[in-house]
Amino acid sequence: NAGVTQTPKFQVLKTGQSMTLQCAQDMNHEYMSWYRQDPGMGLRLIHYSVGAGITDQGEVPNGYNVSRSTTEDFPLRLLSAAPSQTSVYFCASSRTRLGTDTQYFGPGTRLTVL
Amino acid sequence: AQSVTQLGSHVSVSEGALVLLRCNYSSSVPPYLFWYVQYPNQGLQLLLKYTTGATLVKGINGFEAEFKKSETSFHLTKPSAHMSDAAEYFCAVIPGRTNFGNEKLTFGTGTRLTIIP
Repeated sequence: NAGVTQTPKFQVLKTGQSMTLQCAQDMNHEYMSWYRQDPGMGLRLIHYSVGAGITDQGEVPNGYNVSRSTTEDFPLRLLSAAPSQTSVYFCASSRTRLGTDTQYFGPGTRLTVL
Repeated sequence: AQSVTQLGSHVSVSEGALVLLRCNYSSSVPPYLFWYVQYPNQGLQLLLKYTTGATLVKGINGFEAEFKKSETSFHLTKPSAHMSDAAEYFCAVIPGRTNFGNEKLTFGTGTRLTIIP
């Protein structure tokens, strides 16, 4: 198993541009999530999904969209990038949404918005 | 609402010395508690977790943590530090035994561990 994969590893955008961060998992996990990691703030949840066709907002959803058309993929879309979205983005998945199920994290995407 | 406090954003220990990383939590219901490790330029990896049962939890790489309800703490320890332990460590909490799931996972701000040769 490849686990959780993310592309790209690095991205530089200009303010106002849009882009999609890709996330895929090959473990047949129901639950997938996106976090952003900023210095001194830990990880904060952006959006999550409990299964194909079902998504919901996390702590910091503004400026981001998600969809879950398949079990495997959970892309994160930045609609109009802003410098405040400069961050490292992590995708994670777990077998179910239960808190007893371990989340597995991808390697991250480092995004810079100029 | 739950929250997690990690005391010390940077901790340095000598190789072979005891590692102690502190974590205190607040939760309105009995919590599930986690420690994650992040090596440079990598994602987070679960070190150990407490959900129910024995309050002393053993994890990977020789780490362990003890859930102390009276102190609302879940400190991470390792008897003898190794150079490979240099990383950032995150404590996290979910309100347990409720309908909440992984969407309620709240992270602390992290502690960067440096090992001195």
